[in-house]
Amino acid sequence: DVKVTQSSRYLVKRTGEKVFLECVQDMDHENMFWYRQDPGLGLRLIYFSYDVKMKEKGDIPEGYSVSREKKERFSLILESASTNQTSMYLCASSIGTSRGKQYFGPGTRLTVT
Amino acid sequence: AQRVTQPEKLLSVFKGAPVELKCNYSYSGSPELFWYVQYSRQRLQLLLRHISRESIKGFTADLNKGETSFHLKKPFAQEEDSAMYYCALSTQGAQKLVFGQGTRLTINP
Repeated sequence: DVKVTQSSRYLVKRTGEKVFLECVQDMDHENMFWYRQDPGLGLRLIYFSYDVKMKEKGDIPEGYSVSREKKERFSLILESASTNQTSMYLCASSIGTSRGKQYFGPGTRLTVT
Repeated sequence: AQRVTQPEKLLSVFKGAPVELKCNYSYSGSPELFWYVQYSRQRLQLLLRHISRESIKGFTADLNKGETSFHLKKPFAQEEDSAMYYCALSTQGAQKLVFGQGTRLTINP
């Protein structure tokens, strides 16, 4: 069974703080993704990575950056957290050749005050 | 740009009634369509994909390229079907997904 884990289930940060969200998968998947999930807006892709040290912007990359130094780990960084980044953040992974079948982590609910 | 639209944010039906969750997409190429589901306190998971043409938990979905739709159907709803459902699109050659806004389905006893 594919396991995707995220470092925190709940996180509360202050405006202006630098925030790190960590995601680890244990199935040697090439692709990893970061989404944010907001009511009425669905899932929106922030960034994705198809290989170590490779990254591509998704639909809403502003205010975020990512890091993938090892294949199993994909980090999302909020350089200076703002209240409009309060959201549920989901990490996912997939096999390199897979088209659409993604495995999701449990999510991190981030609140920025 | 590719887009997925789920016109209903909320859908409520009685147990035993038929269910249809609507999904429309815009993409000029050859799409792959998916339905993902998130039950309460569980992680998002794949329910079914159009290329498999399978029935999962009694749900089916047919890709209608003429109407650019991929509606999810179940003839007799069960209480355990209550969940958040997302339709998603994968474009040709792409590994990423475009998700719809989601529909929260509630099955009343």
